[in-house]
Amino acid sequence: NAGVTQTPKFQVLKTGQSMTLQCAQDMNHNSMYWYRQDPGMGLRLIYYSASEGTTDKGEVPNGYNVSRLNKREFSLRLESAAPSQTSVYFCASSVRGRANPGELFFGEGSRLTVL
Amino acid sequence: AQSVTQLDSHVSVSEGTPVLLRCNYSSSYSPSLFWYVQHPNKGLQLLLKYTSAATLVKGINGFEAEFKKSETSFHLTKPSAHMSDAAEYFCVVNGQNFVFGPGTRLSVLP
Repeated sequence: NAGVTQTPKFQVLKTGQSMTLQCAQDMNHNSMYWYRQDPGMGLRLIYYSASEGTTDKGEVPNGYNVSRLNKREFSLRLESAAPSQTSVYFCASSVRGRANPGELFFGEGSRLTVL
Repeated sequence: AQSVTQLDSHVSVSEGTPVLLRCNYSSSYSPSLFWYVQHPNKGLQLLLKYTSAATLVKGINGFEAEFKKSETSFHLTKPSAHMSDAAEYFCVVNGQNFVFGPGTRLSVLP
């Protein structure tokens, strides 16, 4: 049982380049999340998806787009990367919705550096 | 509105001594509260959660936390630290959304 799988684990981009972070979960969870982690700031929600085909903005959505391809997969796209998007990105999933999610299950993170 | 304050950015203890990581929260709702642990270069793992049942919550690896509504606190404790406890710890409140604290880095000295 893999849980939540993210790819790639590491990526270096130049300013203006685009890329997509992939996330897949095999726990049949309804809700999926993308967070970014920056030193001293905890995790901040970028986007949230309650089900296939639905997405909601979180606390820091600017510069990102997401796609909930199916129940398993939730991708995060940077259309034109900026140095301020250098961060560690975490995908997570939960059985229930955001207001009462129970436990969040996390992937191992994707470390992105934008030069 | 919800917020989480972790009162110490870094805590250092000796192996075998008690651990106390402090967390205070504010929430307009009756919150659920969580502690997550993050080991270096790893994702976050749930340590324990409070969801309005018993106020003293026991988690994995000997950790426990006590919910004190009057003090709006949810401090994490462990009687005896082990080297493997060295990690980053996050207090999380969920009333309407998940809100993460900034984290406390725990160092365990031999």
